[in-house]
Amino acid sequence: QKEVEQNSGPLSVPEGAIASLNCTYSDRGSQSFFWYRQYSGKSPELIMSIYSNGDKEDGRFTAQLNKASQYVSLLIRDSQPSDSATYLCAVNERYSTLTFGKGTMLLVSP
Amino acid sequence: DTAVSQTPKYLVTQMGNDKSIKCEQNLGHDTMYWYKQDSKKFLKIMFSYNNKELIINETVPNRFSPKSPDKAHLNLHINSLELGDSAVYFCASSLRGSYNEQFFGPGTRLTVL
Repeated sequence: QKEVEQNSGPLSVPEGAIASLNCTYSDRGSQSFFWYRQYSGKSPELIMSIYSNGDKEDGRFTAQLNKASQYVSLLIRDSQPSDSATYLCAVNERYSTLTFGKGTMLLVSP
Repeated sequence: DTAVSQTPKYLVTQMGNDKSIKCEQNLGHDTMYWYKQDSKKFLKIMFSYNNKELIINETVPNRFSPKSPDKAHLNLHINSLELGDSAVYFCASSLRGSYNEQFFGPGTRLTVL
């Protein structure tokens, strides 16, 4: 069974620090990878997508992909209390469907 | 506004009842999905439709019946509701293809008493 694994956390970082969120996946044929942010009681919000090995930066967010190691990560620089949320890693499977990890809760303390 | 919308936002009902949730997207997407997020926050695909045709049907009880009247709408009907159906149901949409990003609706919180 195809799986996406994330540490459930919580990951606690002080304001201004770098938060590093990690994800591993089992399906070597996966082609696209996504990070969603979900605030409590809200819907998942897409924050990053990555398709090629290496880094992709967007503002304070950097996604990193290593297909050989089947590993995706999300770095959040200059973390803010408003970044406190659950971060979901999602991996494309078949027919555009996504398999989600169980999410990592991030807590940024002022 | 361009978005994925769902109604109702909250649904509280008794065991054994039948209920429906509606979803609409105006993003011009051709693929729509239903996901279930349980109490442990695990988000799992239930169904996927492309241009009104069912393309993914995960191991979901046949009490759940999706219907897509056109590619902008995807509804979910649930018969004989059970306690275990209590969850948040999210609709999402995308263009078909491995690289296409999915956008989620606000969710419907279903509580079965």
